[in-house]
Amino acid sequence: GIQVEQSPPDLILQEGANSTLRCNFSDSVNNLQWFHQNPWGQLINLFYIPSGTKQNGRLSATTVATERYSLLYISSSQTTDSGVYFCAVHSGTYKYIFGTGTRLKVLA
Amino acid sequence: SAVISQKPSRDICQRGTSLTIQCQVDSQVTMMFWYRQQPGQSLTLIATANQGSEATYESGFVIDKFPISRPNLTFSTLTVSNMSPEDSSIYLCSVGGGVYNEQFFGPGTRLTVL
Repeated sequence: GIQVEQSPPDLILQEGANSTLRCNFSDSVNNLQWFHQNPWGQLINLFYIPSGTKQNGRLSATTVATERYSLLYISSSQTTDSGVYFCAVHSGTYKYIFGTGTRLKVLA
Repeated sequence: SAVISQKPSRDICQRGTSLTIQCQVDSQVTMMFWYRQQPGQSLTLIATANQGSEATYESGFVIDKFPISRPNLTFSTLTVSNMSPEDSSIYLCSVGGGVYNEQFFGPGTRLTVL
């Protein structure tokens, strides 16, 4: 089955710093999503981005489907950005496969 | 977007007992999904619940341990049976694909088994 790897696995930032999170997948995909899991465990939809670039405030994402990767950019990070970031891909079956996650901690 | 609620939000249970988790969606959907997230891990799909048919289980998950009901197009339950401490996890239901291209998750049920 399709493999989804995320890097880095852990990231510590000072408030105000920028960061790039990466999601690599091993096969072609139909859909890709980025999620933020907050410290209470809730998954928040960030981007639905099977291809191209999207921006939402301080966050933006780019998916290059032909090269099998997606990037999530966080600018001017805030302590509320802390948590775990997951990408999930949908490869034409009925289900999404989740990546390994990036655990982010933003220090005040 | 879909609005999904889950009950209970958290529970602490004794080993050997069973817990049923409810998932309610604010609109009719064909497929509902149940995931498990063990501590510090990513999400793993347990099964897909289709209304009017048996659930489809992923490798490593069996119906006797995780029976699922799907009585209508807005509701599903997942039971965690004969629990052990290894079942301590967050259990999440979701909808996606089909009508919704995006996947949306409920708030999760945090289960601790003593």
